[in-house]
Amino acid sequence: DQQVKQNSPSLSVQEGRISILNCDYTNSMFDYFLWYKKYPAEGPTFLISISSIKDKNEDGRFTVFLNKSAKHLSLHIVPSQPGDSAVYFCAASANFGNEKLTFGTGTRLTIIP
Amino acid sequence: DGGITQSPKYLFRKEGQNVTLSCEQNLNHDAMYWYRQDPGQGLRLIYYSQIVNDFQKGDIAEGYSVSREKKESFPLTVTSAQKNPTAFYLCASSLISTLDRHEQYFGPGTRLTVT
Repeated sequence: DQQVKQNSPSLSVQEGRISILNCDYTNSMFDYFLWYKKYPAEGPTFLISISSIKDKNEDGRFTVFLNKSAKHLSLHIVPSQPGDSAVYFCAASANFGNEKLTFGTGTRLTIIP
Repeated sequence: DGGITQSPKYLFRKEGQNVTLSCEQNLNHDAMYWYRQDPGQGLRLIYYSQIVNDFQKGDIAEGYSVSREKKESFPLTVTSAQKNPTAFYLCASSLISTLDRHEQYFGPGTRLTVT
């Protein structure tokens, strides 16, 4: 039972263009969503998060959008840079006082110079 | 510098042997977590602990054991009962509060190979 889904295993984007990574969830109890970036053989690095009381959160080149009615969130990276090439994981959490995360399977982003 | 350390980076064991993976944090975080990552899959939660001397099973706890004797340390033992122990193991930690949400910080991981 995959409660957090990233249906695109891979994505290639030209340098300078916008990268859009998508994530869907099924559990309506999730109220906090995060994006992590991961390089091979390293631990994930936190990128950006959004609470369910918001529909958008922006941090520099990274913006996360949340559509609660569709149970969908997306990560926009603009402009895309070669260093953005990595695997991106979407994660969700359901409770204050318990930050246990459920992760998606990841999307490998490749930025083409 | 504050952070999470996992040692060793690579670990090799023979089938049938128990092995313990180390995780230490100096971030003064309340909660600690263990995940495993397999090729093409996301991170799956093995165990987590929100307070010293207490821990809960995650989604795939069978064949694993943990302890939380100190706030800074959360070692994971992969027992011989774990059927597919070869994987990349990740430890994480986070603050816990009822007033705000907190992200998890991850260590660099340990690649365990069992033959």
